[in-house]
Amino acid sequence: AQSVTQPDIHITVSEGASLELRCNYSYGATPYLFWYVQSPGQGLQLLLKYFSGDTLVQGIKGFEAEFKRSQSSFNLRKPSVHWSDAAEYFCAVGTGGGNKLTFGTGTQLKVEL
Amino acid sequence: GAVVSQHPSRVICKSGTSVKIECRSLDFQATTMFWYRQFPKKSLMLMATSNEGSKATYEQGVEKDKFLINHASLTLSTLTVTSAHPEDSSFYICSARGGQGARGANVLTFGAGSRLTVL
Repeated sequence: AQSVTQPDIHITVSEGASLELRCNYSYGATPYLFWYVQSPGQGLQLLLKYFSGDTLVQGIKGFEAEFKRSQSSFNLRKPSVHWSDAAEYFCAVGTGGGNKLTFGTGTQLKVEL
Repeated sequence: GAVVSQHPSRVICKSGTSVKIECRSLDFQATTMFWYRQFPKKSLMLMATSNEGSKATYEQGVEKDKFLINHASLTLSTLTVTSAHPEDSSFYICSARGGQGARGANVLTFGAGSRLTVL
C-alpha cells in the first residue's frame, strides 16, 4: 500500500527566507504526487502536482517541487517565504489515476516577521 | 476554475442525532466524489469514494452504516453521520472530480470542509 511521510511536523522560517518542506513516498508504480495547502478551518488548495515529464514542477504562489525517483522524494520549495504562506502543507500520493489520495501527516509552517 | 461547496461549514448536534453534510460541485458535473475525515493536528483519512448512481466504496475500517453516503446526482453527494457520538466530532472534507473530457476532469477539487461537533 502507498504511504507518505512528512518528517517535519513544524517548521519556522523568517519572512524572506527560503523554504523546503520534505516529503517521501512509498508506492510500487509511478506515482501521482501532490502538494496541498490548508489554512486554518479551510479546505485544501492544490499548490502543484506531478504526473509525468519534467521532474521540476512549478506551482502557484511561487512554489515548486522536485520529483526524485531515486530518493522517493517530492520536496516542496519556495525561494522567499511571505507571511501569508503560514499554513499547513500536505503532501499526497495519488492512485487510481490520481483520484484516491493518501496524505502525509502535514507540516505546519510558521513565518516569523 | 472548478468549485466545490460544502454545507454546513459548521454543525453542532446532540449525541444520538443524525447529521447530513452536503457536497456540491457548482460549475461541473462530478462523476466521482470523495469523503475525507481530518482529526485535529492529523492528516486526512479517506473514508469513501462515491460514484454517481452507485453505492459508495468504503475504506477499510469505516462503518458504512454509520457514515451513509449518497451520490444521487452529478452535482451532489451527501454524507450522513447517523446516531452521532462525541467521537464522531471531526472535520469532514469532500472532493470531486469531473468525468472524462468534462470541466473539472483533470483536477480534484476540495470543498472547504464541515466541522462537526457532537455534544
